[in-house]
Amino acid sequence: QKEVEQDPGPLSVPEGAIVSLNCTYSNSAFQYFMWYRQYSRKGPELLMYTYSSGNKEDGRFTAQVDKSSKYISLFIRDSQPSDSATYLCAMSDAGNTPLVFGKGTRLSVIA
Amino acid sequence: DGGITQSPKYLFRKEGQNVTLSCEQNLNHDAMYWYRQDPGQGLRLIYYSQIVNDFQKGDIAEGYSVSREKKESFPLTVTSAQKNPTAFYLCASSQDRARYNEQFFGPGTRLTVL
Repeated sequence: QKEVEQDPGPLSVPEGAIVSLNCTYSNSAFQYFMWYRQYSRKGPELLMYTYSSGNKEDGRFTAQVDKSSKYISLFIRDSQPSDSATYLCAMSDAGNTPLVFGKGTRLSVIA
Repeated sequence: DGGITQSPKYLFRKEGQNVTLSCEQNLNHDAMYWYRQDPGQGLRLIYYSQIVNDFQKGDIAEGYSVSREKKESFPLTVTSAQKNPTAFYLCASSQDRARYNEQFFGPGTRLTVL
């Protein structure tokens, strides 16, 4: 079983839809959880950063962590064509150990 | 204008040649990282450095070498020993020991071996 599992998609939704992106993980020691957005042929950019369980909201984006289920989610409300990108989850077990990345989910938002 | 720069954007190399990818940051970040990205493979860690003059191997260090002589610079050399070097290479940095997880990425270098 891989440490971090992420459905590669592609996921195609109409503009304005609510998008749910998910990752599961096996290492119960993971405490730090991140979501990155990567446009084609660009470097990833940090979208959301959360510590331990709970929700965090930033504009149209909400990150959710359920440590009991080893499951994290990123919700995008009122999705826009500019949200079309690959979304990578990442996590680690302490502040100074390397991140473990999911393989990314490719999202297309159709106008 | 603060950020991470990588050069060149595209690089072509003949088999058997070593090539060095540049990564510079002016964010005053302590830690720097090199990743390789292949289609469908996600990001894989090659090397990372948490302090000047020190670095650690990541998951796929074979065929690569790095140096960290200055805080702002972390060049990656792809040697001829790397069997399949064609990939997208990403450099990242993070601020300090308390914030190693908040990594910020450069624009990447696409290396093609001819």
